[in-house]
Amino acid sequence: EPEVTQTPSHQVTQMGQEVILRCVPISNHLYFYWYRQILGQKVEFLVSFYNNEISEKSEIFDDQFSVERPDGSNFTLKIRSTKLEDSAMYFCASSLLGTEDQPQHFGDGTRLSIL
Amino acid sequence: AQTVTQSQPEMSVQEAETVTLSCTYDTSESDYYLFWYKQPPSRQMILVIRQEAYKQQNATENRFSVNFQKAAKSFSLKISDSQLGDAAMYFCAYRSAWGGATNKLIFGTGTLLAVQP
Repeated sequence: EPEVTQTPSHQVTQMGQEVILRCVPISNHLYFYWYRQILGQKVEFLVSFYNNEISEKSEIFDDQFSVERPDGSNFTLKIRSTKLEDSAMYFCASSLLGTEDQPQHFGDGTRLSIL
Repeated sequence: AQTVTQSQPEMSVQEAETVTLSCTYDTSESDYYLFWYKQPPSRQMILVIRQEAYKQQNATENRFSVNFQKAAKSFSLKISDSQLGDAAMYFCAYRSAWGGATNKLIFGTGTLLAVQP
């Protein structure tokens, strides 16, 4: 069964550095998402992306964050200048369509540790 | 704003027994979807079961069923004949369903289920 894949599984970065988290959504899916989960807290929505543009973003997704689909297969989340509070598990998800009958398929996540 | 609450951080069940995981939510919307996702130790979140709010009948998927109480805003997951492979973190999630709705899922904090042999 097709899967969403994320790399790396664990990223350790110095505070203030830029980090790029990578995702390969399921190949025929059209909608892409990023969520994050700070340790011990809820999984939180960050952003959704469709047709090469952001369709929705949360208040967490400030100017330090950006997303991109640089080619036909990858979907990336960039954090420009990382802060300690960015340490979290980041999940990528994709869905065939944006309608509620199309489930979101999640990747394994990338654990981001900011030192 | 919608919220989802899972009041049981951890649960334990004996193999072959039945366990119920609780979830409550708060919304002013009348039409929405509710989901249970499972995240085993391999970390990939997998959709277990889905309930449309307009449907009165509780959703069932094999050993997994829900008790959806719309008036009480309650959405519990029942796992029957528990198996060792059911051990995982279980997340309850909400999604709006009105026209032009957001696609985002709103999650609870999760319940870690242990299955004892």
